[in-house]
Amino acid sequence: GAVVSQHPSRVICKSGTSVKIECRSLDFQATTMFWYRQFPKQSLMLMATSNEGSKATYEQGVEKDKFLINHASLTLSTLTVASAHPEDSSFYICSAIREGLNTEAFFGQGTRLTVV
Amino acid sequence: AQSVTQLGSHVSVSEGALVLLRCNYSSSVPPYLFWYVQYPNQGLQLLLKYTSAATLVKGINGFEAEFKKSETSFHLTKPSAHMSDAAEYFCAVRYSGSARQLTFGSGTQLTVLP
Repeated sequence: GAVVSQHPSRVICKSGTSVKIECRSLDFQATTMFWYRQFPKQSLMLMATSNEGSKATYEQGVEKDKFLINHASLTLSTLTVASAHPEDSSFYICSAIREGLNTEAFFGQGTRLTVV
Repeated sequence: AQSVTQLGSHVSVSEGALVLLRCNYSSSVPPYLFWYVQYPNQGLQLLLKYTSAATLVKGINGFEAEFKKSETSFHLTKPSAHMSDAAEYFCAVRYSGSARQLTFGSGTQLTVLP
């Protein structure tokens, strides 16, 4: 199957600093990628849709100035958590859409962010 | 609005017993349906998907699911549970058309008892 690589898998940062998370589709091009947030013991909540070459579309309640998304190429989307605070601590997961006869979403392995 | 409901946030079965994880969707238009598995601190792995072909879908690791339009259900089953099946399972729905985003159920934690 297709591979989506998400990096880093774990990051600990100090409050007030910014953290960048990368999501790469390794063997296919992805015009569309999605970023999810997952709280402990809960489901995935869609944060935003990342579109190559255009602005991301954010879900209601997600601060676009806090969660900066850049989809600069067909294989890379980045999520930057700006001025992180402890409440931003969470598990973040990306998915990349492989378009075709059988359009399918492939997920990264997730990033555990801890803000101290 | 599209939604998917997973009944039972926790399911425990004995090793070798039948696994049944329930999923119901809300829609008047048949959607695409998916089951994913998530192990601790990892992303999601696709188990199987329904895309309007055969109603009985076979996936990886011995799992299968049956699409029942009359019941708006897509329950996941496995005849004999293995210890390695212990994980979180998510049902997800995507509707046909241009939208690519998935809507996830709340998840079911499967515990397999020795």
